[in-house]
Amino acid sequence: DAGITQSPRYKITETGRQVTLMCHQTWSHSYMFWYRQDLGHGLRLIYYSAAADITDKGEVPDGYVVSRSKTENFPLTLESATRSQTSVYFCASTSGTPFNYEQYFGPGTRLTVT
Amino acid sequence: AQSVTQLDSQVPVFEEAPVELRCNYSSSVSVYLFWYVQYPNQGLQLLLKYLSGSTLVKGINGFEAEFNKSQTSFHLRKPSVHISDTAEYFCALNAGGTSYGKLTFGQGTILTVHP
Repeated sequence: DAGITQSPRYKITETGRQVTLMCHQTWSHSYMFWYRQDLGHGLRLIYYSAAADITDKGEVPDGYVVSRSKTENFPLTLESATRSQTSVYFCASTSGTPFNYEQYFGPGTRLTVT
Repeated sequence: AQSVTQLDSQVPVFEEAPVELRCNYSSSVSVYLFWYVQYPNQGLQLLLKYLSGSTLVKGINGFEAEFNKSQTSFHLRKPSVHISDTAEYFCALNAGGTSYGKLTFGQGTILTVHP
């Protein structure tokens, strides 16, 4: 299917466990992003990537790790999950064409850390 | 640094009434501005965007927004809302240049349309 997909859509994990959220896009967009959405905070950028093997921190990167070995995939790993990481996570991508930075969003992953 | 402030966290309105969702921004450089909508349990989808040119921008579902550089605002309007417009709305900006396509989002405004 064309577009941007995330998996799993729902995940419950325990404190201290490692969990990986997957993101896949079919447009060959250069830029990809991970956000978390929490009530009262809107969307906050966790990490972003400008191309394969190029990643950088966003506003709230602590406790998260990303990689991007292929253009189409951008997994987000919580190395040791904490309750404060309970959130809805969104992946997004954009071509980054000058003057058009519209981002396309995946459906989200609802993560609960118990 | 850039920031986006959505002035209302919740806006209740009756069906067929007009609505305005307010968004102010702060940036030291020229910006590109966006409004996104999020329906319950879904991702965000683009309503409209301002890149350059006409300051009145029309989007999907009858929404429009006006870019006001002097007031650093980008308010979203619809002349007559429908029940199906109930959703959360986010204003966002991109600072262009070397921002790598990053968006800075406001906190969101929940629009509730009552019958």
